[in-house]
Amino acid sequence: AQSVAQPEDQVNVAEGNPLTVKCTYSVSGNPYLFWYVQYPNRGLQFLLKYITGDNLVKGSYGFEAEFNKSQTSFHLKKPSALVSDSALYFCAVRAGRTGGFKTIFGAGTRLFVKA
Amino acid sequence: KAGVTQTPRYLIKTRGQQVTLSCSPISGHRSVSWYQQTPGQGLQFLFEYFSETQRNKGNFPGRFSGRQFSNSRSEMNVSTLELGDSALYLCASSTQGAQEQYFGPGTRLTVT
Repeated sequence: AQSVAQPEDQVNVAEGNPLTVKCTYSVSGNPYLFWYVQYPNRGLQFLLKYITGDNLVKGSYGFEAEFNKSQTSFHLKKPSALVSDSALYFCAVRAGRTGGFKTIFGAGTRLFVKA
Repeated sequence: KAGVTQTPRYLIKTRGQQVTLSCSPISGHRSVSWYQQTPGQGLQFLFEYFSETQRNKGNFPGRFSGRQFSNSRSEMNVSTLELGDSALYLCASSTQGAQEQYFGPGTRLTVT
């Protein structure tokens, strides 16, 4: 069965410092991995994805993520955090095949960036 | 391009009633998925539709159902509402298969 784990409920970082939000996954077959961000009272916004290819993927708002197959991880990173990055971040794995996919989300990690 | 729209945005219902939520996907997107978001359970997959066919279903009781129309718009229905059905219901659309999903703002359902 597919699963996604985000081990940290909350991450605190000072503005200007690098940030990392952790994610590990379990899936049979090739993983399709995603990061989404949710701002208060809004739906989720797509940040970036890994389907195949380079292990380091770049996404919106300066975020990037590194796919590590041996550690089954897909950590979200940003070199320099902004206060406006404060939000709820979800890691997700999309599994299935042509004919039917389902997305499994992690529990979410709340990021606080302090000025 | 217009984003995913969901109606209504807020809804208050009484236990035992039924409710229908609507989702209009991004133009050209044929895959629509529904999710339930609650503080305790997080984001849980309800079902996915593609070309008017339900292609995948999460672990929800049969009170939760949905459908997709030929224009890719989708509705989900919850019958015999329970207090525990209070949640934010999110709809997401994508072009196909493994691609990223684009989410609507959600419908906040409160069951009293």
